[in-house]
Amino acid sequence: AQKVTQTQTSISVMEKTTVTMDCVYETQDSSYFLFWYKQTASGEIVFLIRQDSYKKENATVGHYSLNFQKPKSSIGLIITATQIEDSAVYFCAMREGHYGNEKITFGAGTKLTIKP
Amino acid sequence: EAAVTQSPRNKVAVTGGKVTLSCNQTNNHNNMYWYRQDTGHGLRLIHYSYGAGSTEKGDIPDGYKASRPSQENFSLILELATPSQTSVYFCASGAPANTEVFFGKGTRLTVV
Repeated sequence: AQKVTQTQTSISVMEKTTVTMDCVYETQDSSYFLFWYKQTASGEIVFLIRQDSYKKENATVGHYSLNFQKPKSSIGLIITATQIEDSAVYFCAMREGHYGNEKITFGAGTKLTIKP
Repeated sequence: EAAVTQSPRNKVAVTGGKVTLSCNQTNNHNNMYWYRQDTGHGLRLIHYSYGAGSTEKGDIPDGYKASRPSQENFSLILELATPSQTSVYFCASGAPANTEVFFGKGTRLTVV
């Protein structure tokens, strides 16, 4: 069964607008960590932002922020003031398991296109 | 900046042949991971390791073996390669808990 689900295959928005990408997850662990990564056109995969499950405050880094809704097992990524270079594939990921021996499961990804 | 190096970057293999993909990290990370990326599936976990000598099965381990002979090196082995294993393979490493992982640049494997 899919443990991390991204239902949006692709999104296209105008430059300088705000976009939200959805992600839902399944876990039995009481403590876990959620991440968003970006894969550029060159294939490089880089970390963007993280949410610890025990933190109520939504994480924010630069123009990236998260909408963490724990009761819904949901972790949305919000990008404000989008730029052309934000065009990429975005992956949601969940890290779970015992400390030091953890699996990291990724979603299928959402392709974001920023139009000028 | 964490460095994860994969080799080779491109590989063409014949069906039934043995393929070894190598990954090296110089950041003293305990955890290392192998993923494959296919259109529509995102990144799927094949094997992972939490230290030298350890390997764990991920979500799609069938047809793959892994080896972690040292802290720095983590290999993915296809004993009998099949065309269905044609894919892009990514290695990643990271410290435990809430830290992010760092990815290599990927290996494009084509099995003909």
